[in-house]
Parts: sequence; C-alpha cells; structure tokens
Amino acid sequence: EVQLLESGGGLVQPGGSLRLSCEASGFTFSTYSMSWVRQAPGKALEWVSTIGGSGETTYYADSVKGRFTISRDNSRNTLSLQVSSLRAEDTAVYYCANGGGNSFESWGQGTLVTVSS
Amino acid sequence: EIVMTQSPDTLSVSPGERATLSCRASQSINSHLAWYQQKPGQAPRLLIFGASMRATGIPARFSGSGSGTEFTLTISSLQSEDFAIYYCQQYNNWPRTFGQGTKVEIK
Repeated sequence: EVQLLESGGGLVQPGGSLRLSCEASGFTFSTYSMSWVRQAPGKALEWVSTIGGSGETTYYADSVKGRFTISRDNSRNTLSLQVSSLRAEDTAVYYCANGGGNSFESWGQGTLVTVSS
Repeated sequence: EIVMTQSPDTLSVSPGERATLSCRASQSINSHLAWYQQKPGQAPRLLIFGASMRATGIPARFSGSGSGTEFTLTISSLQSEDFAIYYCQQYNNWPRTFGQGTKVEIK
C-alpha cells in the first residue's frame, strides 16, 4: 500500500521560510516522479512543483519559481520542498503526490502552511 | 498555460441518477487528462487517467471519455459516497493545470 506522509507545515510570518517533507513507502520511490500540489482554503487544486525520479529534472509553477526548491533523497524515500520568501497567498494545504510526469496517482493527507503576521 | 474549464460549477443530482461532468481545455491535450475526487477534509483521489482509464480500485460506475479539448466524466448511478468535488487536470504540457472543480451535491 502506497503511503505518503507530509510534515513541516506551520504558521510563518510573511517573508519567512519552511521546509516541507514527505516520507514515502509502499512503492519503488526512485522510479517515480514526485510532486507537490497545494490547495488554498476553499479553493481549487494548484500544481506547485515536480521532480523526476533521479532528481535531475525539476519543474515549478511560475507563482513559486525562484522561491521554492524541490528535492528528493532516494536513499531515504523522502521528498522535500524548501519554501522561502513566503507570502499570504502561499497559505494552503500542501500535498505530496507520486507522479506528475503523468497523473498524480496517490496523495498524502497534506500539511498546512499558514503565512500570517 | 493551458486553462482547464469545468462545467457546471455545481451539479445537483438525486441518488441513483446519472451525473455528467464536463471539462474543456484551452488547447489540445490529446488524451492526457485525469479526473480526481475530493471529499471534505480529505486528499484528492485519482479516478481516471488517460481520459478514460479507471485507476486501481475505482468502481465501474465511473467512466471518462473525450480527447483533444473536450472531456466528460460520467457517474452512471450516484451513490451516497460519490457526493464530492471533482477536478480535471491536464498533463500534456507544463505547467500542469487543474480545473476549478465541479461540486456534485445531493438534490
């Protein structure tokens, strides 16, 4: 059974930073692209970033480019998202998902990031 | 950026009836379309990929069709557990984009 467990969310001031993590199990992690998708309160889903299986290829939404960095550690089956220069509009539940090269096959339960002073 | 537009925003359906949800892409995405279901307080769940292929464990009452720019998700006979928000998503181009969602509510 695929399991994706996010952590690292919390309350942060505008301009601040956080590191989100996702621990994966139940599939061969290194063979999957991995992604972050976010959802602001009451809003639709928004793709944020995808990283290829080897970690060499990354993609970002324009809204986060230059502020967010996706990475992975295939030896520890862990996906990360370093979020910096946070803005109020970055407030959302951040979901880890396997896939992104195609559809998003499985999703974690999400971690809430709240940007507020 | 490919814009995905879903219709209607809200669909009121009685249990046992058929529900038909639409999704339109602003340019051709071939069959690179997925549908997701999201219930309140839960993560999304993949229903359909490749426009018409059911994901593992998805009941046969869910079906997808279409290609190019016009797509449809049909739920043949709505069950109580199907009342939720449904999103379409394209994976033909970067950035990946989602529709705004269709809420299926009890009539």
